[in-house]
Amino acid sequence: DAGITQSPRHKVTETGTPVTLRCHQTENHRYMYWYRQDPGHGLRLIHYSYGVKDTDKGEVSDGYSVSRSKTEDFLLTLESATSSQTSVYFCAISPGLAGANNEQFFGPGTRLTVL
Amino acid sequence: AQSVAQPEDQVNVAEGNPLTVKCTYSVSGNPYLFWYVQYPNRGLQFLLKYITGDNLVKGSYGFEAEFNKSQTSFHLKKPSALVSDSALYFCAVRDGGNAGNMLTFGGGTRLMVKP
Repeated sequence: DAGITQSPRHKVTETGTPVTLRCHQTENHRYMYWYRQDPGHGLRLIHYSYGVKDTDKGEVSDGYSVSRSKTEDFLLTLESATSSQTSVYFCAISPGLAGANNEQFFGPGTRLTVL
Repeated sequence: AQSVAQPEDQVNVAEGNPLTVKCTYSVSGNPYLFWYVQYPNRGLQFLLKYITGDNLVKGSYGFEAEFNKSQTSFHLKKPSALVSDSALYFCAVRDGGNAGNMLTFGGGTRLMVKP
């Protein structure tokens, strides 16, 4: 978890409310990712960023938006939360695109419950 | 498309016995393969990776994994399990033939090591 923080760590909200999760890194890594973790599904990529203001969709992006105005911060927003978005959300970073020579490093996670 | 499967939801092993956690993958190009471990209430931690070279890869905490191209497998192994190895293990793959691909994670296998 070194160099990556997520806030809040736990949140309970109601259906239809907006929610923003924050990921902050001190490693100056170019790539940042948002995943959700659900039992039996492992981690699924929601969105990722390859630089300031540069983002792209992942496997399960519907209902989520992201923003990256600074290298160190990557925000995930649920515009109108639904119960299906109850999950544990992980932020990850890597110096380059995760793969051969670039490992991903993960934050501690945010547990979100939508009632 | 790339995919990864972890056929066992849980693996039980006695302390001191060897352990194996299975992973199979599907890619069209050369696979980049990874194992991560997740301890309770923590983010994922990198264990080891296979990119190219020797089929037997050694990683952190005494773990190793064997890449088998003909069986499209990358099983995680340890000669002598410890109770402290009890955790959730994730296999991940990226198709090295596609520069734009992200990592795809398996559903995870819970390892329980009994004293």
